[in-house]
Amino acid sequence: DTGVSQDPRHKITKRGQNVTFRCDPISEHNRLYWYRQTLGQGPEFLTYFQNEAQLEKSRLLSDRFSAERPKGSFSTLEIQRTEQGDSAMYLCASSYYRGTVYEQYFGPGTRLTVT
Amino acid sequence: GDSVTQMEGPVTLSEEAFLTINCTYTATGYPSLFWYVQYPGEGLQLLLKATKADDKGSNKGFEATYRKETTSFHLEKGSVQVSDSAVYFCALSVEQGAQKLVFGQGTRLTINP
Repeated sequence: DTGVSQDPRHKITKRGQNVTFRCDPISEHNRLYWYRQTLGQGPEFLTYFQNEAQLEKSRLLSDRFSAERPKGSFSTLEIQRTEQGDSAMYLCASSYYRGTVYEQYFGPGTRLTVT
Repeated sequence: GDSVTQMEGPVTLSEEAFLTINCTYTATGYPSLFWYVQYPGEGLQLLLKATKADDKGSNKGFEATYRKETTSFHLEKGSVQVSDSAVYFCALSVEQGAQKLVFGQGTRLTINP
């Protein structure tokens, strides 16, 4: 069990560019979540997958954002035409059902800076 | 909608002091409650959880009890160490659907030797 990994750890981009982040969940975890965390705030839910199906998207996820989880394994989060307001830490978590609740395990995050 | 309110920080204590970080919640369903910790430069780690009323979650000397009557889940530790310095997040998830986590704003804790 190597934990949730995310790549890259840091990304600096210019406004208007596209960026893509990758998340590799803990193997055999069937759920995968994306959250966004801005400075001094708690993480906010963006979207989640059950296996390869994207089942819920937050209204925070504008049409410039798209997420995929091909074959129910790793996931990617793409932001098109980045804006300065997209600067944040993007967190991925994977989970499995434990008793009565899905426990979520987080990766280290990708810090995005849009200049 | 569902929400979590945490005690405002930052909190600064001396080593071996008693710690309480307050957390209250509002939820439409019957939530599970969590405390996560974020050490400097690291990702969020699950510290403890409770899934039903009067459950007590505990780990690493930290404890929190699910109080349905006061909608609270306060984090406590009897004797803090310098290594406990971190940001602590209270969170809930409701049992249906996504079970996404709803987080409080976090409380930064600094322990001085």
